[in-house]
Amino acid sequence: AQSVSQHNHHVILSEAASLELGCNYSYGGTVNLFWYVQYPGQHLQLLLKYFSGDPLVKGIKGFEAEFIKSKFSFNLRKPSVQWSDTAEYFCAVKNQAGTALIFGKGTTLSVSS
Amino acid sequence: GAGVSQSPSNKVTEKGKDVELRCDPISGHTALYWYRQSLGQGLEFLIYFQGNSAPDKSGLPSDRFSAERTGGSVSTLTIQRTQQEDSAVYLCASSDGTFYGYTFGSGTRLTVV
Repeated sequence: AQSVSQHNHHVILSEAASLELGCNYSYGGTVNLFWYVQYPGQHLQLLLKYFSGDPLVKGIKGFEAEFIKSKFSFNLRKPSVQWSDTAEYFCAVKNQAGTALIFGKGTTLSVSS
Repeated sequence: GAGVSQSPSNKVTEKGKDVELRCDPISGHTALYWYRQSLGQGLEFLIYFQGNSAPDKSGLPSDRFSAERTGGSVSTLTIQRTQQEDSAVYLCASSDGTFYGYTFGSGTRLTVV
């Protein structure tokens, strides 16, 4: 069965630090990949997505992610985090049947000002 | 409506009782999804609707769980004879079927006591 692994359960950073959250997926074929964010008390929102083409994807709020097929990875990055980036981040891949997204268990990011 | 609406936002029920959770998707969205979010477990896919039919219900954890969608719009997730392990946040999402737009509601927090 397809799966998504997010290696970091909780990341704590100071403002202006750089961020990289790991995501690995299990499926080796054509993949559609996503990062979602859930700010405290809010619903899940799409940060960015990869379908094809340039493996470096830029999303909202200065986030980007790089698809590395050989490593089955889709890591999320941001050069300089802000306190407002405190949230839970979820990586997801579309399942083989194309009927749903499979999510990782999430990474909680805490940014101190 | 402008977003995905779920009701109730919170539900406390006694073990053994039945509960119904409602989802109003974005108008015109043909695809509708139910997920369950448990602490530390990420998002678990439950069921996918395309129109009124459910081509993928592989994530329903037991026959106590069922869902229906009527008029290609509102969906109801029913949990019969609730158990304490059913306590979670139940999320609904809708999309136009392309996976470009996959909008989540705020969820229903279910607590079984």
